[in-house]
Amino acid sequence: EAGVVQSPRYKIIEKKQPVAFWCNPISGHNTLYWYRQNLGQGPELLIRYENEEAVDDSQLPKDRFSAERLKGVDSTLKIQPAELGDSAVYLCASSLSVNQPQHFGDGTRLSIL
Amino acid sequence: EDKVVQSPLSLVVHEGDTVTLNCSYEVTNFRSLLWYKQEKKAPTFLFMLTSSGIEKKSGRLSSILDKKELFSILNITATQTGDSAIYLCAVESGSRLTFGEGTQLTVNP
Repeated sequence: EAGVVQSPRYKIIEKKQPVAFWCNPISGHNTLYWYRQNLGQGPELLIRYENEEAVDDSQLPKDRFSAERLKGVDSTLKIQPAELGDSAVYLCASSLSVNQPQHFGDGTRLSIL
Repeated sequence: EDKVVQSPLSLVVHEGDTVTLNCSYEVTNFRSLLWYKQEKKAPTFLFMLTSSGIEKKSGRLSSILDKKELFSILNITATQTGDSAIYLCAVESGSRLTFGEGTQLTVNP
């Protein structure tokens, strides 16, 4: 079974530039999550999708972050404009449904210069 | 606010040692507790615990949950260098997962 696929693996940009991350969940997984993980800390939820609907985006900084999950499969997370404090690993996870174990992708490591 | 606290934050042992990692939590509407292993990349799922007192086991790893005292432990026996990783505890409350900071385990040959 193919796992959660994320791209790119690494991204280095200057502050104020836009950046986008892409996630392809495990086939058949209806629930998709985006997390941010800072160094030395556990992942923190940004947004959760049930199919194509964002059902929990309360922790997404909506002034600069946006996400979409068209057709309820792949998802993109965008930051515009990026700030120095956005440097982190952005993890995507998926699960068959909510309350099932989440399976994570390898993440995108974002560095802001 | 939901809180998950792991201890110790880091641990260095020798191959063959047994280790116990701790996770305590304060959450509303507890549903389950999960353990993940994170090496350089993605956290990989280890265990999901929902009931007190029932040990989950996979090879040299085992875990148990105490819902009365609000904690869980992860045991690793006969540790190997390949066990070196960050071990993350996460608690599901409602439909949200809250992670602890993780325990960095280093197993030296």
